[in-house]
Amino acid sequence: AQTVTQSQPEMSVQEAETVTLSCTYDTSESDYYLFWYKQPPSRQMILVIRQEAYKQQNATENRFSVNFQKAAKSFSLKISDSQLGDAAMYFCAYRSEFNQGAQKLVFGQGTRLTINP
Amino acid sequence: DVKVTQSSRYLVKRTGEKVFLECVQDMDHENMFWYRQDPGLGLRLIYFSYDVKMKEKGDIPEGYSVSREKKERFSLILESASTNQTSMYLCASDSGAGGPWGYTFGSGTRLTVV
Repeated sequence: AQTVTQSQPEMSVQEAETVTLSCTYDTSESDYYLFWYKQPPSRQMILVIRQEAYKQQNATENRFSVNFQKAAKSFSLKISDSQLGDAAMYFCAYRSEFNQGAQKLVFGQGTRLTINP
Repeated sequence: DVKVTQSSRYLVKRTGEKVFLECVQDMDHENMFWYRQDPGLGLRLIYFSYDVKMKEKGDIPEGYSVSREKKERFSLILESASTNQTSMYLCASDSGAGGPWGYTFGSGTRLTVV
């Protein structure tokens, strides 16, 4: 079974600075997808960024980018120019390309990000 | 936009009560999921459904059951609530098309069992 590990329960960063959240995963599969979700105090889970394992190029969405290291099974999230609105719980998630029935997401433990003004 | 609606934002129930958590999605999605969220444990899958009346156990199904009589509605049932089921419950759906598409989530139900 696949597992996802986020080793940083909490992180903090000064507003306008850059922060990197870590995520590692364990799988024997070669085709899969990786996601970062954000959960602000409103509790609504928001998809921040996604990465297809077959793509070597790291995904980027505005201030958010990933460092995807397939061989190391590492998928970190970099937030540049941090803003107060980035404060949230962040979850890393894995999804297999091949699943019978429904394709389930496997989540990490989460990292709570605090932005200091 | 796809919308996933959970009927209650907060619930307080007594030990031993039968509890129903309701989830409705409005985009004809095939798959629906129930997760439980606890601090330090992340989101853990309780049950999921890939079609009407079809269900499969997730990683922590003990103490729970589900019902999917209509495509748009997926209910989580706590047959006899216990204090260790105090948690945040998140419902999600997806189209079933696979690919790099994540879920659409509801905004969660925070359940307290006293």
